[in-house]
Amino acid sequence: EDQVTQSPEALRLQEGESSSLNCSYTVSGLRGLFWYRQDPGKGPEFLFTLYSAGEEKEKERLKATLTKKESFLHITAPKPEDSATYLCAVSFGNEKLTFGTGTRLTIIP
Amino acid sequence: NAGVTQTPKFQVLKTGQSMTLQCAQDMNHEYMSWYRQDPGMGLRLIHYSVGAGITDQGEVPNGYNVSRSTTEDFPLRLLSAAPSQTSVYFCASSYLPRGYQETQYFGPGTRLLVL
Repeated sequence: EDQVTQSPEALRLQEGESSSLNCSYTVSGLRGLFWYRQDPGKGPEFLFTLYSAGEEKEKERLKATLTKKESFLHITAPKPEDSATYLCAVSFGNEKLTFGTGTRLTIIP
Repeated sequence: NAGVTQTPKFQVLKTGQSMTLQCAQDMNHEYMSWYRQDPGMGLRLIHYSVGAGITDQGEVPNGYNVSRSTTEDFPLRLLSAAPSQTSVYFCASSYLPRGYQETQYFGPGTRLLVL
């Protein structure tokens, strides 16, 4: 069964303290990997799509990378407004997305 | 563009009642889907549609019905609400340019409480 696992479940960082979130998956024909940000009480907001190993995407303080088994979301010098839950989802070659349970990120001023 | 819209934002039901959660998108997306989100469980797919007149089951379809009569609308029906259906429901839509999943865009969610 195709699975998506995110770690850690929760992460608390001081403002300016860089770190990485992980999304690993069991491979059965990866077609795309998607990162979303979700704020409390709101729907997931699209961040990045990655399609092949070695691909990287950047947006402000966020950088997503992809290998054959996992993806990392690197957060550089985070600010309190980066606090949110970050979701990873994978397309395994059909019409469905499989989501991980997310990493809840808190940035302390 | 309004994107993906959902109504209502919040609903309280009694066990056994029925209701319809509305979802609409104005991006001409072929694909629409319904998820539920529960603490510790992540987003789980309930039903999805790849075009008008075509629907299929996701991971947790029991107790829910869907139909897709137009490209824009994809309502979710709860036939007889149960406390286990208390959750936050999200509708999403996307293109299907190559027959498999592209970036999905989500609505703001409907919070449902079943007493």
